[in-house]
Amino acid sequence: TQLLEQSPQFLSIQEGENLTVYCNSSSVFSSLQWYRQEPGEGPVLLVTVVTGGEVKKLKRLTFQFGDARKDSSLHITAAQPGDTGLYLCAGARLAGYALNFGKGTSLLVTP
Amino acid sequence: NAGVTQTPKFQVLKTGQSMTLQCAQDMNHEYMSWYRQDPGMGLRLIHYSVGAGITDQGEVPNGYNVSRSTTEDFPLRLLSAAPSQTSVYFCASSLDWSSLEFGTEAFFGQGTRLTVV
Repeated sequence: TQLLEQSPQFLSIQEGENLTVYCNSSSVFSSLQWYRQEPGEGPVLLVTVVTGGEVKKLKRLTFQFGDARKDSSLHITAAQPGDTGLYLCAGARLAGYALNFGKGTSLLVTP
Repeated sequence: NAGVTQTPKFQVLKTGQSMTLQCAQDMNHEYMSWYRQDPGMGLRLIHYSVGAGITDQGEVPNGYNVSRSTTEDFPLRLLSAAPSQTSVYFCASSLDWSSLEFGTEAFFGQGTRLTVV
């Protein structure tokens, strides 16, 4: 059973469009992270959210942590081809000793 | 500063062979972990270590062994390779579990692509 459900699994859009990726769980997390992975490379951290209701912005990317700390979303405004990649959410639970990953969202942005 | 270094980058094994995937970090991190990544499955935790001499199982530990004799190194051993172990393996490290729990970064190696035939 996947602790973190990510949707959609695949997303193909044109440059300039907006998109939202969701990461949902029935469990409470002490923190939730978003990573981006390029082909042939390991994941690289984009952002961490730790407070329920927290919103963080990274240029055209907006990340939100749900009030109950069970879910998160990633919104990209005016997507660009450089945003293409695999986006992974990952959550840590208190005393869980494991960083749990969602299955990922593969994003393709075409010019 | 090399970060997390994994070797080899690619490997082909025959069924039944054993091998060790190497992972080393130079950041003095206490927490280290191994994941496997399969298409459509995301990253699944194999084993982790909260410090030298301490290891524990993750979600998919069967067929794999680990040890942590030093802070820097966390090798992953495949005892008798099976085609089901064909995957991309990632090693990751973080300062310690407490800080990871509250959102510090997990640093990943570049991965080892393993094929078992």
